[in-house]
Amino acid sequence: NAGVTQTPKFQVLKTGQSMTLQCAQDMNHEYMSWYRQDPGMGLRLIHYSVGAGITDQGEVPNGYNVSRSTTEDFPLRLLSAAPSQTSVYFCASSQGTPGGRSPLHFGNGTRLTVT
Amino acid sequence: LAKTTQPISMDSYEGQEVNITCSHNNIATNDYITWYQQFPSQGPRFIIQGYKTKVTNEVASLFIPADRKSSTLSLPRVSLSDTAVYYCLVGDEGTGRRALTFGSGTRLQVQP
Repeated sequence: NAGVTQTPKFQVLKTGQSMTLQCAQDMNHEYMSWYRQDPGMGLRLIHYSVGAGITDQGEVPNGYNVSRSTTEDFPLRLLSAAPSQTSVYFCASSQGTPGGRSPLHFGNGTRLTVT
Repeated sequence: LAKTTQPISMDSYEGQEVNITCSHNNIATNDYITWYQQFPSQGPRFIIQGYKTKVTNEVASLFIPADRKSSTLSLPRVSLSDTAVYYCLVGDEGTGRRALTFGSGTRLQVQP
């Protein structure tokens, strides 16, 4: 199994550009989420989804959109990139709602730089 | 989600046992305690999870006292490859707890 796959691994954007970070999982997990991690910091939750067609905001949702049309995919869209969005982005999934007996499985991240 | 407190950093030497303690004073009855490990440039990965007493797997042990207000991750005989950030999280599968947040974790540096 591939687990959680994120693409691209690296991306450089200019201020104002938009792009979509892709996330796919092949474990039939219901729960998926996006985190960002700034240098030397912990992870902050951006958006999450408990199933296809259902999404909700996390701690830092501004400037990002998500959709969940299938169980497998959970893309993250940057509407108009800003330098403050320079970060490493991680996608994660779990069988059930996380925090209980369903640990999160993480992808290897997308390193985004906005100039 | 129960708030957790853990040391910002720890240093150790190869071959030593490392114990990282996490405080979670307001843990709820249905909460589980989960630890993740994150290497540089990688996503966190699940290490171990427990509810009470002691849990052991091939990577680590987790000790949870009877009051469950703290937990200790124990890494036996660490090596250089155990240098990583370790996160302690507390939560349950209840429908109201879907936003899992991470703190800053404990940065473990293992030296030769």
